[in-house]
Amino acid sequence: RKEVEQDPGPFNVPEGATVAFNCTYSNSASQSFFWYRQDCRKEPKLLMSVYSSGNEDGRFTAQLNRASQYISLLIRDSKLSDSATYLCVVGNNAGNMLTFGGGTRLMVKP
Amino acid sequence: NAGVTQTPKFRVLKTGQSMTLLCAQDMNHEYMYWYRQDPGMGLRLIHYSVGEGTTAKGEVPDGYNVSRLKKQNFLLGLESAAPSQTSVYFCASSYIRVRETQYFGPGTRLLVL
Repeated sequence: RKEVEQDPGPFNVPEGATVAFNCTYSNSASQSFFWYRQDCRKEPKLLMSVYSSGNEDGRFTAQLNRASQYISLLIRDSKLSDSATYLCVVGNNAGNMLTFGGGTRLMVKP
Repeated sequence: NAGVTQTPKFRVLKTGQSMTLLCAQDMNHEYMYWYRQDPGMGLRLIHYSVGEGTTAKGEVPDGYNVSRLKKQNFLLGLESAAPSQTSVYFCASSYIRVRETQYFGPGTRLLVL
């Protein structure tokens, strides 16, 4: 079993739609959680951290469920520029390593 | 402020050849990392360094060596390239206090024939 699992997609949605991605992780001792964004043939960039209380950044909302070892990302009012691959990332308890999921590809269409 | 840079951007090697990938950062970061990214596999950590003169193995270290002689540089070496090492290699760096926010370089595409 992969340590961090994501549905690879692609998710094809129209502009303005709301879309949600999920991710599960296997190490219950994991301490930190993130979503990174990766555009085609580019490097990953941090999108947002994920906290137990949930957090929101504009149109993006991230949730963490430690009991179920589950992370989610919700994107509201999708824009064409949101088209990218979204990587679920989990940090180990020592804080010196990140484990990346395989990514979920989003395509927003006009 | 260039951030994280990688050299070269693209390289083709024959099986058995050696090469060194260079990563440089100008943000005074303590931590540096080398990853490889393969289709459907996500990024996998090869080696990392928590400071000048230190290195440690990641998830997939076999076939690679690293050195961190200067704080700003992290080198990844392939002594005898194999087709299985065909991949995109990303370098990243981070501050001590926010280690999980990693800043990535643009990547090196390596093809081993």
